[in-house]
Amino acid sequence: DTAVSQTPKYLVTQMGNDKSIKCEQNLGHDTMYWYKQDSKKFLKIMFSYNNKELIINETVPNRFSPKSPDKAHLNLHINSLELGDSAVYFCASSGSNQPQHFGDGTRLSIL
Amino acid sequence: RKEVEQDPGPFNVPEGATVAFNCTYSNSASQSFFWYRQDCRKEPKLLMSVYSSGNEDGRFTAQLNRASQYISLLIRDSKLSDSATYLCVVNFGNEKLTFGTGTRLTIIP
Repeated sequence: DTAVSQTPKYLVTQMGNDKSIKCEQNLGHDTMYWYKQDSKKFLKIMFSYNNKELIINETVPNRFSPKSPDKAHLNLHINSLELGDSAVYFCASSGSNQPQHFGDGTRLSIL
Repeated sequence: RKEVEQDPGPFNVPEGATVAFNCTYSNSASQSFFWYRQDCRKEPKLLMSVYSSGNEDGRFTAQLNRASQYISLLIRDSKLSDSATYLCVVNFGNEKLTFGTGTRLTIIP
C-alpha cells in the first residue's frame, strides 16, 4: 500500500490553463505539505496543513490554492499556469515533530 | 546566509571508500535534524534522524555538533547503490522542515 500517493504523476499542459494535483496519505498523520523542486533541484516548501488548517504559506503566488477536505487529503489547484511553474511538486505528510514521508512527485511541464 | 547550507558536490568516490558530508545551519534553536536521500527522478526518502549523541545505522554514521551548528554524515565501505543526492534537513521548531540544496554523490566502480 502506498503511504503518500499523488496524482497525476505527469502533467503536461499549456500556459494559461488551470490544473489540479491530488494527494492522499494513509499514515494517519495530522500534517501534510506541498513542496516544489525546480530544475536546480532545490526543494522548497509551499504550504503546510495541520488537521485541515493552513499553518505554513511560504509567499506562494495566489494562483496556487491548496485545499484540504480532511486530514488525509491535500490538493493543490493552480490557476493561469506560467512557464516558471514547470517543476516537480511533492506532497508529504508527517506526525508531530516527526520526519516527513513524501509522495513520488508530479512532474509538471508547461508548454 | 542560507538557513541550511551544504556543499553541492559532486563527490566522485571509488567503491569501498569512506566519504563524509557536512551541513551547517543558521538557527541555534533548531530542534531536530535528518539526512534524506534522493535518487534521480525520485522522491526524497528518510535515511536517518540525527541525535545529539550521534547515531549509527550500518555503514552510516550521523553526528550533530550544536555548538558549531553543523551535522555530518559518514558513509563507510561505499557501494554503487549509495550514488544519490544527500539532503540535510533541519526542523527549526515550527513543523517546517528546511532542506539544504543537497550533495550529489557518485560511487565509481
